[in-house]
Amino acid sequence: EVELVESGGDLVQPGGSLRLSCAASGFTFSNYEMNWVRQTPGMRLEWVSYISSTGLTIYYADSVKGRFTISRDNAKNSLYLQMNSLRAEDTAVYYCATQLGPAPEYFQHWGQGTLVTVSS
Amino acid sequence: DIQMTQSPSTLSASVGDRVTITCRASESISSWLAWYQQKPGKAPKLLIYKASSLESGVPSRFSGSGSGTEFTLTISSLQPDDFATYYCQQYNGWVTFGQGTRLEIK
Repeated sequence: EVELVESGGDLVQPGGSLRLSCAASGFTFSNYEMNWVRQTPGMRLEWVSYISSTGLTIYYADSVKGRFTISRDNAKNSLYLQMNSLRAEDTAVYYCATQLGPAPEYFQHWGQGTLVTVSS
Repeated sequence: DIQMTQSPSTLSASVGDRVTITCRASESISSWLAWYQQKPGKAPKLLIYKASSLESGVPSRFSGSGSGTEFTLTISSLQPDDFATYYCQQYNGWVTFGQGTRLEIK
């Protein structure tokens, strides 16, 4: 059974940094493209970032470009999101999600999410 | 970016009802549309992809249709477990989501 478990969410001050992790199990992680998707307090869903199965192709939403960095470690079955220069508008639940095939695509499996709150 | 607009924002219905949710794209997305169900405190769950393909394990009372700019999600006979929020998502270009439709018990 596919399982995705996010961690690393916390309360952080504006301008601060945070690193999210997503631990994958139950499937061959190295075969799947991965994404981060966030859900705002107003319940809007927003795609954040994509990384190909090999890690060679990466995309970001304009709202996070230059501040967030996605990465993966296929040996550890793990996905990461380094978040720098955080802003209040980055406050959201962050989900990791799988997709089959190269972007753009739909998201087949989602983790349970981790909450990031940016506030002073 | 392609804007996705769902209607209605809230829908009140009863068990056994047939309900339809509409999603409109600001430009043509062919059939590159997915539908998700989300319950409070849980992650979205994929129901439909490529506008009308049912994800494995999803009950057959859920169906999707449409192409171009107008799409619908239909639940043929509402069950108690179906009261949730539903989102559409396009993947013709950079991924964007609709604002959600909350399906509540009448």
